[in-house]
Amino acid sequence: DTAVSQTPKYLVTQMGNDKSIKCEQNLGHDTMYWYKQDSKKFLKIMFSYNNKELIINETVPNRFSPKSPDKAHLNLHINSLELGDSAVYFCASSHDRGSLNFGNGTRLTVT
Amino acid sequence: GESVGLHLPTLSVQEGDNSIINCAYSNSASDYFIWYKQESGKGPQFIIDIRSNMDKRQGQRVTVLLNKTVKHLSLQIAATQPGDSAVYFCAENNAGNMLTFGGGTRLMVKP
Repeated sequence: DTAVSQTPKYLVTQMGNDKSIKCEQNLGHDTMYWYKQDSKKFLKIMFSYNNKELIINETVPNRFSPKSPDKAHLNLHINSLELGDSAVYFCASSHDRGSLNFGNGTRLTVT
Repeated sequence: GESVGLHLPTLSVQEGDNSIINCAYSNSASDYFIWYKQESGKGPQFIIDIRSNMDKRQGQRVTVLLNKTVKHLSLQIAATQPGDSAVYFCAENNAGNMLTFGGGTRLMVKP
């Protein structure tokens, strides 16, 4: 069973559209994250979220918003997509300050 | 190879040789460090971690060394195998639940 699963794996869309990426973890972890990986493989934290606190990286545009319907899910909504949003987006989870378990990524291409 | 943020350095080794991947971290207050391995098309996977009260930790074929004086972390892989070919990231936890990643090093193993 996949511990952290995200869908879709590939997402191709046009500029200006609104899209969502879903993430679910079955590890019972209390904290979930979204990371963005650019074409040079650089991994950048976007959000950290548990049932108490949402921490937002201040460099993330407010077009990006995480939504958590429950402890096992953290979805990423993106409004008014731009070309520069093209990247691979990774969901991850952890228990307290432990190591992260990553999903296999969603490759977003904005045309 | 040293991990930097602007490009992806590559380390090429012969199968059976030992590999050493280096990482310079940024925050002297960081107290937990992790090495991740990322294979093509997959999310980063945990390899080994170390806390700041240690300077060396060994796993199966892997060793992590921590030098807090110069804020340097290294990953040693013994008897490198073709399956070790991947991009390797160091990560530091300096506050809360945020892991900050280094720029990554691509390891290529020649048969």
